[in-house]
Amino acid sequence: AQSVTQPDIHITVSEGASLELRCNYSYGATPYLFWYVQSPGQGLQLLLKYFSGDTLVQGIKGFEAEFKRSQSSFNLRKPSVHWSDAAEYFCAVGLMEYGNKLVFGAGTILRVKS
Amino acid sequence: DTAVSQTPKYLVTQMGNDKSIKCEQNLGHDTMYWYKQDSKKFLKIMFSYNNKELIINETVPNRFSPKSPDKAHLNLHINSLELGDSAVYFCASSPSENTEAFFGQGTRLTVV
Repeated sequence: AQSVTQPDIHITVSEGASLELRCNYSYGATPYLFWYVQSPGQGLQLLLKYFSGDTLVQGIKGFEAEFKRSQSSFNLRKPSVHWSDAAEYFCAVGLMEYGNKLVFGAGTILRVKS
Repeated sequence: DTAVSQTPKYLVTQMGNDKSIKCEQNLGHDTMYWYKQDSKKFLKIMFSYNNKELIINETVPNRFSPKSPDKAHLNLHINSLELGDSAVYFCASSPSENTEAFFGQGTRLTVV
């Protein structure tokens, strides 16, 4: 069955430090891949997506992610974290042949310390 | 000019009641969804509709009945509410050609 694993439940980084959030997926083909961010009490905002082509994708708010087929990974990175980045981050796999549904990871809570 | 809007934002109700959540999207998308986010923040799809046709029903109890009057609207009706139905329900939409979903702000349902 398709699944998405985010191994880190919580991550704490200092403001200005770099960030990497891990995401691994289990799926037979190359899926569509997404990172969403959810601030407390808010909906889900799309940070970036990978459909095909260049494996390094740029998103909003200075985030980027790299698709590595050999590792079935799609890790999210940011070179310098801001206090406003504190939120929960969800990696998701998009499955066209299953009604276009998204399968989400369990999320990673990012805390930023000043 | 909100892209995906759902109402109400908060819903507190007693066990056994029936309630509805409404969703509308102005993105021109063909596909709409309901997702449930439980108390551990885990997100799971419940239903998807494409052009008013049910595509996914992800083993959701039949107390939950989605209705799509047109492709811009997908409402969720819940009968005989139970404590375990307490969650945040998100509506979303995407184009048919990919799975890039745009989410509403969520409806926090609390059953007491």
